[in-house]
This record gives sequence, structure tokens and C-alpha cells, in this order.
Amino acid sequence: GQQLNQSPQSMFIQEGEDVSMNCTSSSIFNTWLWYKQDPGEGPVLLIALYKAGELTSNGRLTAQFGITRKDSFLNISASIPSDVGIYFCAGRFSPLNAGGTSYGKLTFGQGTILTVHP
Amino acid sequence: DTEVTQTPKHLVMGMTNKKSLKCEQHMGHRAMYWYKQKAKKPPELMFVYSYEKLSINESVPSRFSPECPNSSLLNLHLHALQPEDSALYLCASRQHSGDSYEQYFGPGTRLTVT
Repeated sequence: GQQLNQSPQSMFIQEGEDVSMNCTSSSIFNTWLWYKQDPGEGPVLLIALYKAGELTSNGRLTAQFGITRKDSFLNISASIPSDVGIYFCAGRFSPLNAGGTSYGKLTFGQGTILTVHP
Repeated sequence: DTEVTQTPKHLVMGMTNKKSLKCEQHMGHRAMYWYKQKAKKPPELMFVYSYEKLSINESVPSRFSPECPNSSLLNLHLHALQPEDSALYLCASRQHSGDSYEQYFGPGTRLTVT
């Protein structure tokens, strides 16, 4: 099946620094989603991307849908302590001539664990 | 409103018990999902319901039995679980129509099997 390679696996940064993480795939994806998960909670949707080359911002967060449709990037500017958590990318793969529906099935990256030191 | 609720928040059960997890959404979403998540790992898809019908079963053991009584509710019935089934169980929902593939997750149920 489709796999997403998410990097880095973990990051330790100082408050105020910018953060960048990415996901890559060997397959073309039609949708990219970025989620953040706090300990003991469910993932929260941060940004959704639907078009190749699309750049979307949500406050200090900016995400891009790669032009090749095989990658996506998430940047966090001026990090703060509450940015701590696990960030997951997720993609929807829809092969040509699938002959059916994927029911919105997502493929998840392995996650990036972010730690922010005050 | 993008709220998905799940009850209970925590559940401890023995291997011979029968219990149920509940999920509810009032966003009019017609696709609902159950995921299993181990610590620091991504969610793993278990089941997908589309218009209240089971559409995908990701080869989940029969000790997990999903049910979708109506378009707002999703249950997961548990019976004779194993300790390795201990995990965070997440429910999610998605608007079925159009091009939106955004899934909204509930807070999860932390399950411990003793």
C-alpha cells in the first residue's frame, strides 16, 4: 500500500524558533492534511490542502502541497510552548480508474514529536 | 461546529468482559471511522461506515464489533479482548459529499485490558 515518510521523527527547539517538517510519498496524493495531537487527546485538524502548489496558512502555521503531488510541508513560525505535541501528515490516495471509492481512507505519516523549551 | 464526542474517556476491562464504546457527531457527516492508536504511533484504521453501512473492515478481529444505529451514532462493541488491544480508540467523521476529505476526530477512549 501507499506509505508516507514523515521527517524529522522528533525535534527539540527553543521557544521563538521556526519549525519545518515534511512528508513524502512514492505515490501521487490528491489531498494532504496536517494534524496535531496533544497527549491523551484526539488529533486536531490544522490545515487541509487540495491543489498541487497550494500554500495555506492558519495563524503561525503554513503548509504547502508539493507541485509533484508527492510531498507536503508544514512550517511553524515563532514557536511557543503550547506547540508541543505530535504532528501527523495524512494523505488521500486516489488511483486513476480505481473503479470505486476510497471512502476517504487516509494514509498517515509516522509523526513528528515536537518539544519546545521555554 | 466540528465536534465529535466519545464516551467513556477511560475504560478498564477484563478479558472476559463485554463493553461498548460510543461516538456521536451532529455535523451531518455521513462517513464515520474507528481507529486504533498505540502510543506515539499514527492512527490505524479499523472500520469505515458510509451512510450507516459498513464499507471497510481492515481485517479486524471479530472480538471488535462495530455498529452504526443512525447517522449520528457509532458504537464499537468489545468482547473477549486481549491485553495487546489496550490502546487509544478514536472515532472520526467526514462529510461524505463533495470533495472534502477532512476527517474530524473525537478525543478518544483510553482502553486498558487487564
